[in-house]
Amino acid sequence: GQSLEQPSEVTAVEGAIVQINCTYQTSGFYGLSWYQQHDGGAPTFLSYNALDGLEETGRFSSFLSRSDSYGYLLLQELQMKDSASYFCAVRGDNFNKFYFGSGTKLNVKP
Amino acid sequence: GAGVSQSPSNKVTEKGKDVELRCDPISGHTALYWYRQSLGQGLEFLIYFQGNSAPDKSGLPSDRFSAERTGGSVSTLTIQRTQQEDSAVYLCASSPMTVQETQYFGPGTRLLVL
Repeated sequence: GQSLEQPSEVTAVEGAIVQINCTYQTSGFYGLSWYQQHDGGAPTFLSYNALDGLEETGRFSSFLSRSDSYGYLLLQELQMKDSASYFCAVRGDNFNKFYFGSGTKLNVKP
Repeated sequence: GAGVSQSPSNKVTEKGKDVELRCDPISGHTALYWYRQSLGQGLEFLIYFQGNSAPDKSGLPSDRFSAERTGGSVSTLTIQRTQQEDSAVYLCASSPMTVQETQYFGPGTRLLVL
């Protein structure tokens, strides 16, 4: 089966850096994705890693280590608008299924 | 441009009734996904369409759930004989076949079964 683990909640102050970790177990692996979801809103795509290493997109970076079945999302220069839930997701063993973690609620404080 | 739209945005129904949820994907997107999200939880994968075809329906929670897609565009998710545990937000997403990792989500349908 598939399972993804990520912390349930993280709190950080405005301007700081925060890292949200995700460990996964999957019988087939095609890459790790990250999505952001504000309360009451729809998930929006942030990043995708198919290969090991760091991908940077503005203030957000995502890292993957396939040998460790581990990835993280790094948010720099935190802003109040970054307060949201962040989900990691993997494509499942039959290539057409996606599995999402339970989400990490990020609280950014002034 | 137009994004993914879903209707209705909210639905309240009585236990035992049937409901139909609709999804209009982004024009030209051939892949379409349905998910269910309970309050404060992650997304539960339900079904995937490639064009009008659903290769794998094993994610549907029970035989009360069915989905179809016509014309490679609009999709409907039908829940028969609704139960209280069906209460959740039902999200639809679409993506171009060439970049399936990027899914564009609709605003969801909030279903409450009384």
